[in-house]
Amino acid sequence: QKEVEQDPGPLSVPEGAIVSLNCTYSNSAFQYFMWYRQYSRKGPELLMYTYSSGNKEDGRFTAQVDKSSKYISLFIRDSQPSDSATYLCAMGGGSYIPTFGRGTSLIVHP
Amino acid sequence: DSGVTQTPKHLITATGQRVTLRCSPRSGDLSVYWYQQSLDQGLQFLIQYYNGEERAKGNILERFSAQQFPDLHSELNLSSLELGDSALYFCASSVGNSGSYNEQFFGPGTRLTVL
Repeated sequence: QKEVEQDPGPLSVPEGAIVSLNCTYSNSAFQYFMWYRQYSRKGPELLMYTYSSGNKEDGRFTAQVDKSSKYISLFIRDSQPSDSATYLCAMGGGSYIPTFGRGTSLIVHP
Repeated sequence: DSGVTQTPKHLITATGQRVTLRCSPRSGDLSVYWYQQSLDQGLQFLIQYYNGEERAKGNILERFSAQQFPDLHSELNLSSLELGDSALYFCASSVGNSGSYNEQFFGPGTRLTVL
């Protein structure tokens, strides 16, 4: 079992839909959690970062962490075609290098 | 633009050959990380350097090596290349070490194709 599991998709949704992206993890030592967005042929860019359980909101994006279930989510409201990208979850803590999920490919069609 | 530069953008070579990938971190960043991204494995951490010294090693093959120079740019050397080494190679940089959270900024990547 990998430390971080993420469904590669693709996930195809119509414009305006609410998108839910998820990752599960097995390492209880993970302390911080991140979501990266990666457009085709580009490097990943940090989208959201959170250090604790609960919700964190930034515009149309909400990151949710449930440490008891070892489950994190990213919600995208009012999704746009420009949100079409691969979303990677990542997590780490202490001396750990962040561990990345495989990424979920999201397609938002007009 | 993240401020991290990588050269070359694309590299096509043959099995058994050796290549060098180059990375310049963001101004002020002391840490450089190298990652390999393939379709089946996702983003895999290879190695980290901090201010010229190796700090952490991931799933880096013995055929691969890296170094960080006094001007903080880094090079990743891949030798005895195999078909399975074809992948995207990313460099990322951050201000500090990974002991606590330091946001990593990724370069645009080098696409390596081994024929």
